[in-house]
Amino acid sequence: VVLTQSPGTLSLSPGTRAVLSCRASQIISTNYLAWYQQKPGQPPRLLMYTTSTRAAGVPDRFSGSGSGRDFTLTITRLEPEDFGVYYCQLYRSSPPTYNFGQGTKLEIK
Amino acid sequence: QLLESGGDFVQPGGSLRLSCVGSGFSFSNYAMGWVRQAPNKGLEWVSIISSSGDAIFYPDSVQGRFIVSRDNSKSTLYLQMSGLRVEDTALYYCAKDPLDKVGARAYFDHWGQGTLVTVSS
Repeated sequence: VVLTQSPGTLSLSPGTRAVLSCRASQIISTNYLAWYQQKPGQPPRLLMYTTSTRAAGVPDRFSGSGSGRDFTLTITRLEPEDFGVYYCQLYRSSPPTYNFGQGTKLEIK
Repeated sequence: QLLESGGDFVQPGGSLRLSCVGSGFSFSNYAMGWVRQAPNKGLEWVSIISSSGDAIFYPDSVQGRFIVSRDNSKSTLYLQMSGLRVEDTALYYCAKDPLDKVGARAYFDHWGQGTLVTVSS
């Protein structure tokens, strides 16, 4: 299953809303879709799992949604620290595989 | 905390063993994985091992060349890499699954800082 993220790069001003898309080549379970944020020189940080559950410490400005093939990470009221590359990740069970999207780079103007 | 080590410069066809020591949590209770990131590229899953080590899986890109193992008595995860290729050059992250079995949660809630493997002639 291939995950395609769009857009490749997003440049937005603080206070605005970011919408990041992740499309799967096949229908996938919402139980197995996660999102990560990665800043330069740092490891990825888990943001969201099971499509819409925020990880510990993640602000409620971040929300996840979607089903079937299309999934979205929405960040409202962008803060300067929200810059980075965002990856979606899915799990398939037969055989067990973990796939990542190619990433969306979020730049804060 | 997850602390990787063992990254190095190696020639094509060579071997290397990476280690990852976990601390601050009950290492033996969680599945663990390796994820790599080539320079200025995205993330690629490399392996997953259940908490007991009885379930292990790899993507096709490393199947037959890499072997993941763990020593729960030492809270340590290993990745034995052989037949290394230039395209294996990457920062290798150790990552923790939130549960013990592969696929029970299937995401990574904690990551190490990574160890760099460079394969070049």
